[in-house]
Amino acid sequence: DGGITQSPKYLFRKEGQNVTLSCEQNLNHDAMYWYRQDPGQGLRLIYYSQIVNDFQKGDIAEGYSVSREKKESFPLTVTSAQKNPTAFYLCASVDRGPSYEQYFGPGTRLTVT
Amino acid sequence: GENVEQHPSTLSVQEGDSAVIKCTYSDSASNYFPWYKQELGKRPQLIIDIRSNVGEKKDQRIAVTLNKTAKHFSLHITETQPEDSAVYFCAGGTSYGKLTFGQGTILTVHP
Repeated sequence: DGGITQSPKYLFRKEGQNVTLSCEQNLNHDAMYWYRQDPGQGLRLIYYSQIVNDFQKGDIAEGYSVSREKKESFPLTVTSAQKNPTAFYLCASVDRGPSYEQYFGPGTRLTVT
Repeated sequence: GENVEQHPSTLSVQEGDSAVIKCTYSDSASNYFPWYKQELGKRPQLIIDIRSNVGEKKDQRIAVTLNKTAKHFSLHITETQPEDSAVYFCAGGTSYGKLTFGQGTILTVHP
């Protein structure tokens, strides 16, 4: 299924708890991205990383944190500071090659109550 | 930053008809415009993309046109089939950088 995985598929947390979403790829892609998708809306960029040990804020970074210690992995932490964390989270990666296609993982649906 | 507007938000057609979805963008530095199809609960999948040095690209029943002067691009699906029913997203950005997505079009193809 494309070489980019996210786990778990469904995640439930209580308000006030931090939670970390996993994203792993074996495509040897340099760049990785995290998006948030809310019902009836497009994808909004949270953070992205174009190289190991470096990452940039996207359009809605507040309340989130990331790390990029390995090329294959780009975990996203949803902190208690994120006011509306319930959403569908998608991770993507892209190669530097002739195709600029962003390959998406299957997503994690996070529900915070 | 880039702003991408997509219209219409919903589109209903009869099987065999054509469907057109339009997007506008704001940043003249954007040079890459992909279109993604997302079925319910699944990941978005690239269906076609176009770069700013090309005005039109076609792949079987799907085509995309780009007008750089007017900063708009469109997706055209001909001979629609029920399996084309999904949410379609346009996006704009630089080819190896950030993409900004439109808000999506729910396409329903009635048999």
